[in-house]
Amino acid sequence: AQSVTQLDSQVPVFEEAPVELRCNYSSSVSVYLFWYVQYPNQGLQLLLKYLSGSTLVESINGFEAEFNKSQTSFHLRKPSVHISDTAEYFCAVTKGGSYIPTFGRGTSLIVHP
Amino acid sequence: NAGVTQTPKFQVLKTGQSMTLQCAQDMNHNSMYWYRQDPGMGLRLIYYSASEGTTDKGEVPNGYNVSRLNKREFSLRLESAAPSQTSVYFCASSPRDRSYNEQFFGPGTRLTVL
Repeated sequence: AQSVTQLDSQVPVFEEAPVELRCNYSSSVSVYLFWYVQYPNQGLQLLLKYLSGSTLVESINGFEAEFNKSQTSFHLRKPSVHISDTAEYFCAVTKGGSYIPTFGRGTSLIVHP
Repeated sequence: NAGVTQTPKFQVLKTGQSMTLQCAQDMNHNSMYWYRQDPGMGLRLIYYSASEGTTDKGEVPNGYNVSRLNKREFSLRLESAAPSQTSVYFCASSPRDRSYNEQFFGPGTRLTVL
């Protein structure tokens, strides 16, 4: 069975500092990778996804994630965070041919002024 | 488009009571899902419906039933609520035309069982 590990349950950081949220997955077959964001008291929404091609994918609000097949990782980064980035971030993996994603347990990003 | 809507937003039940959580989507998606979210546990799949007329168990189906009423609506029923079912429940939908389609989530229902 597929598994997704988000190594940090909570990441506190100061505003304008860089941040990396880590995600590792277990499958060695073809996978599709996603990061979702959940703002307080809201549902999840897609932040970015990797399907194929360039291993670096970007979101419209400055986040990026890099697919590393050899390390089975899909870490999320942002060079300079804002207070409004405070949220829960979930990594998800869908195995090729499956329509059911596996979610990590989430990382709470807390941005301090 | 409203996307995925859920009712109610909040609910408090007593142990043993029953209730149905409603979910509807207006994006003409084939697949719909019910998750529960608990602190430190992430999202766990309760049931899903790959297409209209079909439903399947997910990771934590015990104590729940579902109905795919039509392509738009997918309800979750708790027949006899227990305190362990206190959670935030999310409905999601997905086109299901490709396995890399993302999921679209509703705003959630916060359920407390006393």
